[in-house]
Amino acid sequence: GNSVTQMEGPVTLSEEAFLTINCTYTATGYPSLFWYVQYPGEGLQLLLKATKADDKGSNKGFEATYRKETTSFHLEKGSVQVSDSAVYFCALILNTGRRALTFGSGTRLQVQP
Amino acid sequence: DVKVTQSSRYLVKRTGEKVFLECVQDMDHENMFWYRQDPGLGLRLIYFSYDVKMKEKGDIPEGYSVSREKKERFSLILESASTNQTSMYLCASREAGETQYFGPGTRLLVL
Repeated sequence: GNSVTQMEGPVTLSEEAFLTINCTYTATGYPSLFWYVQYPGEGLQLLLKATKADDKGSNKGFEATYRKETTSFHLEKGSVQVSDSAVYFCALILNTGRRALTFGSGTRLQVQP
Repeated sequence: DVKVTQSSRYLVKRTGEKVFLECVQDMDHENMFWYRQDPGLGLRLIYFSYDVKMKEKGDIPEGYSVSREKKERFSLILESASTNQTSMYLCASREAGETQYFGPGTRLLVL
């Protein structure tokens, strides 16, 4: 089946530190990959996505590159801010069959001033 | 902007009660989804719907049913609530592409 594995949190960083949240996946087909973010008390918002190998998704200073050879989609940001504190979810969707997102377990990021 | 609304932010129910969670989207999306979110488990798909009156089971449908009588509305029903259904419930809708838009969630406590 399809699955997404994320590093466990919480991840605690100081402001302006470099962020990496690891995400790997297994899929029976050729997926599109996503990062969603959930701020406290809110629903999930799409952060970025990539639909094919070697694509780089980017938004709000966050980046992730679709690596087919390592089945990974790691999230990075060069300098985090307190406002980035949230839960981050990696997810995939296959382009055939049941077209519903499969999510990882989420990684909580806490950024301290 | 796409808007997905859920009828309640917080609900407290008793074991055995019938519970209705309502979700409405305003962008004429055909696809709608119900997930539950639990710590350490991420989001798990309960049911989804591709069109009015059409529904399909997700990964954890046991104990739940759904209703889609109108395109904009997708209801999740707990026929007889149990304590293990205490969770955060998230509704989502999707356009023809791949981006899913989520509601703010309903935090349900079953006593």
